[in-house]
Amino acid sequence: DVKVTQSSRYLVKRTGEKVFLECVQDMDHENMFWYRQDPGLGLRLIYFSYDVKMKEKGDIPEGYSVSREKKERFSLILESASTNQTSMYLCASSPLWQGVNTIYFGEGSWLTVV
Amino acid sequence: QKEVEQNSGPLSVPEGAIASLNCTYSDRGSQSFFWYRQYSGKSPELIMSIYSNGDKEDGRFTAQLNKASQYVSLLIRDSQPSDSATYLCAVRPGGTSYGKLTFGQGTILTVHP
Repeated sequence: DVKVTQSSRYLVKRTGEKVFLECVQDMDHENMFWYRQDPGLGLRLIYFSYDVKMKEKGDIPEGYSVSREKKERFSLILESASTNQTSMYLCASSPLWQGVNTIYFGEGSWLTVV
Repeated sequence: QKEVEQNSGPLSVPEGAIASLNCTYSDRGSQSFFWYRQYSGKSPELIMSIYSNGDKEDGRFTAQLNKASQYVSLLIRDSQPSDSATYLCAVRPGGTSYGKLTFGQGTILTVHP
């Protein structure tokens, strides 16, 4: 069964802290994504990666960075957390072949910045 | 204009009725279109995908695509309270997109008994 695992489900961090959100997939997928979801705004793409050490900015990269040192692991980093980064963060993965009709989501990480 | 826009909600329908969810997109080169269902506190799950103009049916769900009008819709027949969720329209952009999807803002559907 396919699995995308986000290790931290619920986090509370202070303003200015460095925050790491980890995501691991066990499907050998090339593509991995970080989205954030806010009420009324849907899912917005922060960063994505199509290969190890490769990354591309999504629609809202400001305030975030990512790391992909291994194929199965994609980390989202908030260098200095701010209250406007309080949100639900979703990791996803998909195979390189774009003909496949879906991406697989993790369960989400709820981050509160106080 | 948003790249993917869904009809504003929330949408409330009685049990047994047809729920109609609509979505427009701005990228004419888009080739793949998806509907996801998301229950509160859960991650999105794929319920329908459509690639060609026309209708695609799967059980109580029918997706409709009109590329000329840049419009995709989802009909849910015989709506059940268990269909109450947020429905997300997603579009795969044309060209080399590495599989990324652009999502609409979501429509909250409530099916009341």
